[in-house]
Amino acid sequence: RKEVEQDPGPFNVPEGATVAFNCTYSNSASQSFFWYRQDCRKEPKLLMSVYSSGNEDGRFTAQLNRASQYISLLIRDSKLSDSATYLCVVTENTGGFKTIFGAGTRLFVKA
Amino acid sequence: EPEVTQTPSHQVTQMGQEVILRCVPISNHLYFYWYRQILGQKVEFLVSFYNNEISEKSEIFDDQFSVERPDGSNFTLKIRSTKLEDSAMYFCASSPQGRGQPQHFGDGTRLSIL
Repeated sequence: RKEVEQDPGPFNVPEGATVAFNCTYSNSASQSFFWYRQDCRKEPKLLMSVYSSGNEDGRFTAQLNRASQYISLLIRDSKLSDSATYLCVVTENTGGFKTIFGAGTRLFVKA
Repeated sequence: EPEVTQTPSHQVTQMGQEVILRCVPISNHLYFYWYRQILGQKVEFLVSFYNNEISEKSEIFDDQFSVERPDGSNFTLKIRSTKLEDSAMYFCASSPQGRGQPQHFGDGTRLSIL
């Protein structure tokens, strides 16, 4: 089983749509969770941290379910500029802290 | 806004040569990281560094690789005896603390091994 697993997509949605991405992780001892976005051939950029209580930042809402080892990202009112690859990132405490990236979910928002 | 800066943006090297990739982390950050991303693949963790020593490394980070903080600002990744499969984008990142805090990434060095 992959350490961090995401649906690769692509998700093709019209502007204004709501889209949801899911991510599962295999290590129940994982401690920190994030969503990053990556544009083509660019660096990952932090979108938001993910907390057990759920958190929202404008059009973006992230949820964490520790029991199911599942993370989600909801994007409302999609914009053309939301087109990117969304990376689920998990940090494990293995003595030190090891950061594991999912392979990403590609999103295309069309006019 | 403070940034992580990486140089060079593109490095072309003959197979078997040594390369040094350079990074200047954000100035008040204490934890530093290197990642690589082979074209079309996912971002892979290489190593984390704190208090002048490696705190965690992946299976990829073998004896071919080393990291160093030679002064108060630079953080370097050295790859000895490069191989074709070392061709990738290498990202440096830093975080204020470690312990699972968000990391800020530089815009990467594209390494091409010929």
